Amino acid sequence: GENVEQHPSTLSVQEGDSAVIKCTYSDSASNYFPWYKQELGKGPQLIIDIRSNVGEKKDQRIAVTLNKTAKHFSLHITETQPEDSAVYFCAASTAQAGTALIFGKGTTLSVSS
Amino acid sequence: DGGITQSPKYLFRKEGQNVTLSCEQNLNHDAMYWYRQDPGQGLRLIYYSQIVNDFQKGDIAEGYSVSREKKESFPLTVTSAQKNPTAFYLCATSTGSRGGYTFGSGTRLTVV
Repeated sequence: GENVEQHPSTLSVQEGDSAVIKCTYSDSASNYFPWYKQELGKGPQLIIDIRSNVGEKKDQRIAVTLNKTAKHFSLHITETQPEDSAVYFCAASTAQAGTALIFGKGTTLSVSS
Repeated sequence: DGGITQSPKYLFRKEGQNVTLSCEQNLNHDAMYWYRQDPGQGLRLIYYSQIVNDFQKGDIAEGYSVSREKKESFPLTVTSAQKNPTAFYLCATSTGSRGGYTFGSGTRLTVV
């Protein structure tokens, strides 16, 4: 089955700096890669996603890149703000019908002002 | 408002007791999922259901059971066979077409 590795597990940056979180996946059939943000005591929320027919996607300060050959994808947050502090999860799903998202173990991002 | 309701938010049970966690949705989504979250472990899939009256085991189904009698509801029972049940449990839904999930706010279960 699919396996998703996520690095780093913790990341501390200064306000205004960029943050990058990287994930690798094992199943070359995976074709959907979402990123979720989880604040303390809440459920994760989708912040951006990318499909395998696209190499990069941007939404304001957030971008995701995908390298299908290397089987890895990354989340880039520019001009970080204290409210970006949270746990971020990457996930992947295969092209097979009836399958579920497999998540990485998460990255705790701390943005200090 | 459309959304997912998980209840209760906090749940305490004695060891050896079965407990059922509720998940109700009014998003009209076909697929529903249960994940378990432990510190440093990410989200691990317990069970999922793509359609009413059908469900599949995830990676850590042992000690858990589910039912899907209605599209809106996907309750999770944590049985006494689950060796380490204390965790944060998250329910999610999707349209089933490999789109993003919508998560509930979770239930924190503590077994003492």
